[in-house]
Amino acid sequence: AQSVSQHNHHVILSEAASLELGCNYSYGGTVNLFWYVQYPGQHLQLLLKYFSGDPLVKGIKGFEAEFIKSKFSFNLRKPSVQWSDTAEYFCAVKGGGSGNTGKLIFGQGTTLQVKP
Amino acid sequence: DTAVSQTPKYLVTQMGNDKSIKCEQNLGHDTMYWYKQDSKKFLKIMFSYNNKELIINETVPNRFSPKSPDKAHLNLHINSLELGDSAVYFCASSRTGTYAGELFFGEGSRLTVL
Repeated sequence: AQSVSQHNHHVILSEAASLELGCNYSYGGTVNLFWYVQYPGQHLQLLLKYFSGDPLVKGIKGFEAEFIKSKFSFNLRKPSVQWSDTAEYFCAVKGGGSGNTGKLIFGQGTTLQVKP
Repeated sequence: DTAVSQTPKYLVTQMGNDKSIKCEQNLGHDTMYWYKQDSKKFLKIMFSYNNKELIINETVPNRFSPKSPDKAHLNLHINSLELGDSAVYFCASSRTGTYAGELFFGEGSRLTVL
């Protein structure tokens, strides 16, 4: 069965620090990969996505993620975090077996707290 | 304009009661979903409808019954509520095809069963 593992459950950083959140998935076939973010009191929204092509993808608000197929990883990075990045971050995978549906397998989420 | 809206945002009810959550999207998407987020923040798909047709049903108890009167609406009715049903229920929508994984979520409906 497909699964997604996020290694960091709770991360606390100071403003301007660099961020890397780990995400590993277990699925042997073609995958689409996503990072979603949930700001306090708001709905989940898409941060960035990987479908194919360049494994380094850029998203909104200066975030990027790198797909490393050999490591089954899709880590999220940001060179310098801001207080407004405080949120829950969810990694998700859509396997080829999901067809044309939006059946995503989510990781358990990482709480990022940025101290001003 | 809110793209995906759910009502109510909060529900507090007793065990054994029946409750419904409504969802509407104005994005013109063909596919809608219900996801459940438990107390540990795990998000798991429950149902999906494409143009009013059920396409995903993830071994959810029969007490949960989704209904899609049209492609812009997807409701969730829960019978005989149990303590374990306490969670945040998210509605979402997406296009079909290649971009089906790009979900647009509602703000969630927090259900508390006492």
